[in-house]
This record gives sequence, C-alpha cells and structure tokens, in this order.
Amino acid sequence: QKEVEQNSGPLSVPEGAIASLNCTYSDRGSQSFFWYRQYSGKSPELIMSIYSNGDKEDGRFTAQLNKASQYVSLLIRDSQPSDSATYLCAVNGEGQAGTALIFGKGTTLSVSS
Amino acid sequence: DVKVTQSSRYLVKRTGEKVFLECVQDMDHENMFWYRQDPGLGLRLIYFSYDVKMKEKGDIPEGYSVSREKKERFSLILESASTNQTSMYLCASEYGGADTQYFGPGTRLTVL
Repeated sequence: QKEVEQNSGPLSVPEGAIASLNCTYSDRGSQSFFWYRQYSGKSPELIMSIYSNGDKEDGRFTAQLNKASQYVSLLIRDSQPSDSATYLCAVNGEGQAGTALIFGKGTTLSVSS
Repeated sequence: DVKVTQSSRYLVKRTGEKVFLECVQDMDHENMFWYRQDPGLGLRLIYFSYDVKMKEKGDIPEGYSVSREKKERFSLILESASTNQTSMYLCASEYGGADTQYFGPGTRLTVL
C-alpha cells in the first residue's frame, strides 16, 4: 500500500514567521510531487509542483524535494493569516496505475495576527 | 484558466435513492477523477477515466459507478444511496500525462 504521511497539526505560527510543512512518501519510484491548499469548505487548489531534487521557489512558497530520503516539504515565508488552511501533499508513483495521485491527509496551518 | 464545474454544491437525498453527480471541464483534458473527502480519512479515489467510455476503479469503488460519454463530462452515480455515502465529493481533471489535477468546487452530499 503506497502511502503519503503528513502531520495533521495544527501547526501554529505567528504572522510574518516561516511555516514549514513536511511530507514523507513510501513509493521510492515516485516522480511527481504536489502541494495543494484547501480552505475550510472549499476544494483543493494547486500551489506548487516539484519533480527534481532540490528547491523550487514561487513567491513566498518554496517546495523542497529529497528523493533519497523520500520527503518533500513546503516552506511559507512571511506567513499571513490568509495562509491559514489545510495543506495537502500529493504524490504520483512510477508504475502507478495511470496518473492517479495519492494524497496525504493534510496538515492544518494556523497563522495568528 | 482551467475550469471544472460540478452540478450541485449541496445535495440532500434519501436512503435508497439513485443519485447523479456531474462534473464538466472546459479544457479538453483527457483524464478525470472522482474523490470523496471525509474528516480524518483524507481524499480517497473512487473512479477515474482516461478517455471517453473508459473507466478504472480507484481505492473505494464499492457502491458507485461512473459514466463518461463525452470527453468533457464525467458522472458519478450512486445506485442506491446509503447514509455512509454522506461526504464531500470532489471531481478533478488533468491533461493526459501532465499529473497536475485541477479540482471542481465539490458537492456536499447528505444522505438521510
């Protein structure tokens, strides 16, 4: 059973701080990694994708991938109250049937002003 | 922008009713997916489709069926709704091979 693990949280950070969200996955053949943000009562929204080892930056967001250690992380710099949401890590795997993603259960982030 | 729409935001049905949930995407995506999301269980894949009239079972297909007669439309059918199918249902679409899925707004289904 291929799995994606995330701490459920809540992760609480003050406004302006760096929020660090982590995810581990079990399928060593995984090739594609995604972070989705989900506000309460809304559907997931893609915020980052990463395919190669290292860092990928997009505005205040940085995704980090380490395939050898099988983890992917999301850093949110200068956290804002509007970043308060649940963040879902999703992974696709080599040989996975089609392109169906496996989602973690999500980490809830709370940013206090 | 990719747009994925779902037929209803909220739906209330009675046990034993046949329920249709529709999903439409406007970006000519090959792949479409149906998930349900429950507290503590996360997103779970019900069915997916790679092409018109093609379907594949996901992790929890029992009690559900799907239909894809046109490329842009993917329907989820609950043949005989039960209370344990009360959930948030999310549709997603994806350009073939791209891996990036875009979600619709979701349908919160309550079965009484």
